Amino acid sequence: DGGITQSPKYLFRKEGQNVTLSCEQNLNHDAMYWYRQDPGQGLRLIYYSQIVNDFQKGDIAEGYSVSREKKESFPLTVTSAQKNPTAFYLCASMGRSYTGELFFGEGSRLTVL
Amino acid sequence: SQQGEEDPQALSIQEGENATMNCSYKTSINNLQWYRQNSGRGLVHLILIRSNEREKHSGRLRVTLDTSKKSSSLLITASRAADTASYFCATDPNAGGTSYGKLTFGQGTILTVHP
Repeated sequence: DGGITQSPKYLFRKEGQNVTLSCEQNLNHDAMYWYRQDPGQGLRLIYYSQIVNDFQKGDIAEGYSVSREKKESFPLTVTSAQKNPTAFYLCASMGRSYTGELFFGEGSRLTVL
Repeated sequence: SQQGEEDPQALSIQEGENATMNCSYKTSINNLQWYRQNSGRGLVHLILIRSNEREKHSGRLRVTLDTSKKSSSLLITASRAADTASYFCATDPNAGGTSYGKLTFGQGTILTVHP
């Protein structure tokens, strides 16, 4: 079945370490997005990519980096520069028709020890 | 500040009752969407209403949009215990243009439906 796969589901990191969250989709969607969700909060946009080899910063890009080398993949690296990285990270995609509907993965929960 | 603000923050009802959640926003929009999130899971799209629409139905869901008041409501009729989840409104601020997925989400309403 088509969908978005995020891994790992749970990740623990020591302070000062970079971690990379994986996001893969087989929906043939052009656009992909990373959102961050804190407890009791809505989602905030970190980065988005509308096409391969191109991406733009969202509202809270500081301390994060992304790449888009393949249409199917949009990994997010949480760097040591991110001061408060403990959060729930959600990857999403949208098709070329840009109907406005986002398809989400199941999320990755990152905890910094 | 949040573009979408949901009200109430939490809602507790009995099975069979209707649940109404409201969302207010600040800027002009292209469309407004409602999503559902079960605890610890990803979001699932429920319904999208465009800025030139006033009401939309999907199964037990009814969404209204009042662009003059910059507000929307989501009504779930005949609620079930399985409807227990968080519900988020999201606005596409690209008024008059194409959505590029840069949605702005509210903080959500936590709905609990008791059997």
